[in-house]
Amino acid sequence: DAGITQSPRHKVTETGTPVTLRCHQTENHRYMYWYRQDPGHGLRLIHYSYGVKDTDKGEVSDGYSVSRSKTEDFLLTLESATSSQTSVYFCAISGKGGYTGEQFFGPGTRLTVL
Amino acid sequence: GQQLNQSPQSMFIQEGEDVSMNCTSSSIFNTWLWYKQDPGEGPVLLIALYKAGELTSNGRLTAQFGITRKDSFLNISASIPSDVGIYFCAGQLVSGNNRKLIWGLGTSLAVNP
Repeated sequence: DAGITQSPRHKVTETGTPVTLRCHQTENHRYMYWYRQDPGHGLRLIHYSYGVKDTDKGEVSDGYSVSRSKTEDFLLTLESATSSQTSVYFCAISGKGGYTGEQFFGPGTRLTVL
Repeated sequence: GQQLNQSPQSMFIQEGEDVSMNCTSSSIFNTWLWYKQDPGEGPVLLIALYKAGELTSNGRLTAQFGITRKDSFLNISASIPSDVGIYFCAGQLVSGNNRKLIWGLGTSLAVNP
């Protein structure tokens, strides 16, 4: 158990509404990541953070923003949700004690945009 | 984005059989990771490899970091029903400040009891 939780675990929303997903860790990992997982596409990186208030884009960042105001929390925001953002979202953490590449995943959030 | 070539895409085997899957890349990696994902859950790290030629075991699982640093394989011996799931490889490119992984698309494993 890497001490990582995601909330909510399931969400159904309508097109055009804002959505925020939360990732919370208790392990003091420096790096935090948001991925989306879709059939046939595997895991795709949306954004990641390399420290408080330090973030960078991944390969599928359009339509998403992130914020990290403290070590423990990494928020993913869909400013105006679209049906193409229906997916399973995973948060991952890495870097406690030094970066090794190993990432530890949360349980995921299943988001449906109608 | 860049992806690893992971094969096979899916496998259906009988309980007790051995399984082998692999990942290849056109780039050199300094780390290879193997994950398993059960339905409805997040991926779980199985084995991490950090050195070319390294062979590491975790129970019935064995993984190797290829000598060329461009490939890795995972073997599962004497498969059991709980081995069912999707197996992902991931690699870390050799790059000073890079903190992102490159992922394969997964191998879906089904085991017939």
